[in-house]
Amino acid sequence: DSGVTQTPKHLITATGQRVTLRCSPRSGDLSVYWYQQSLDQGLQFLIQYYNGEERAKGNILERFSAQQFPDLHSELNLSSLELGDSALYFCASSGGLAVNTGELFFGEGSRLTVL
Amino acid sequence: SQQGEEDPQALSIQEGENATMNCSYKTSINNLQWYRQNSGRGLVHLILIRSNEREKHSGRLRVTLDTSKKSSSLLITASRAADTASYFCATVPAWGNEKLTFGTGTRLTIIP
Repeated sequence: DSGVTQTPKHLITATGQRVTLRCSPRSGDLSVYWYQQSLDQGLQFLIQYYNGEERAKGNILERFSAQQFPDLHSELNLSSLELGDSALYFCASSGGLAVNTGELFFGEGSRLTVL
Repeated sequence: SQQGEEDPQALSIQEGENATMNCSYKTSINNLQWYRQNSGRGLVHLILIRSNEREKHSGRLRVTLDTSKKSSSLLITASRAADTASYFCATVPAWGNEKLTFGTGTRLTIIP
């Protein structure tokens, strides 16, 4: 158990809909990262937050947004969903600002299926 | 975009044999990390090696890093059925954005 909690574990929705994925980082971790894993794109970094502030941005679509709340949990919002958004979405956390000093702790992921 | 490319894409070996996976990357790095992913599960950190290190051990794992060739290898000795998983290398760039970028992964199957 990594200590990172993601909900929901599975989600099935239709094209054009909007969903919210939730992540609770390990106790005390200030950084939260979101990754998307699909068969054709592999693991893609989406966005990082540190103590409530956006820190780094990757290949995140404009239809997607995220935020980190004062209690450090984070949410990833996916809107106007398309079939290609079907993927496993991972949240990870770390203690520090940068990944230079250590590992990321991953949640079990939220599997999104868009029909 | 992928920073690292693992080789081979898939590997099947008998239990007890050693497994070697390779990772090549494109830009200068601060560190390189290896992660394991059991089917459909979250990733688990295995080991981190910094750019000024050449070799690192952790239990049955041995990682090497050759920055001149921009490559790393992960050796799992005396493999076990429980080692069946996908293995990913991930790099942190030497400067600029500090995001961790994952490679394409090697699917390792240990045959009992």
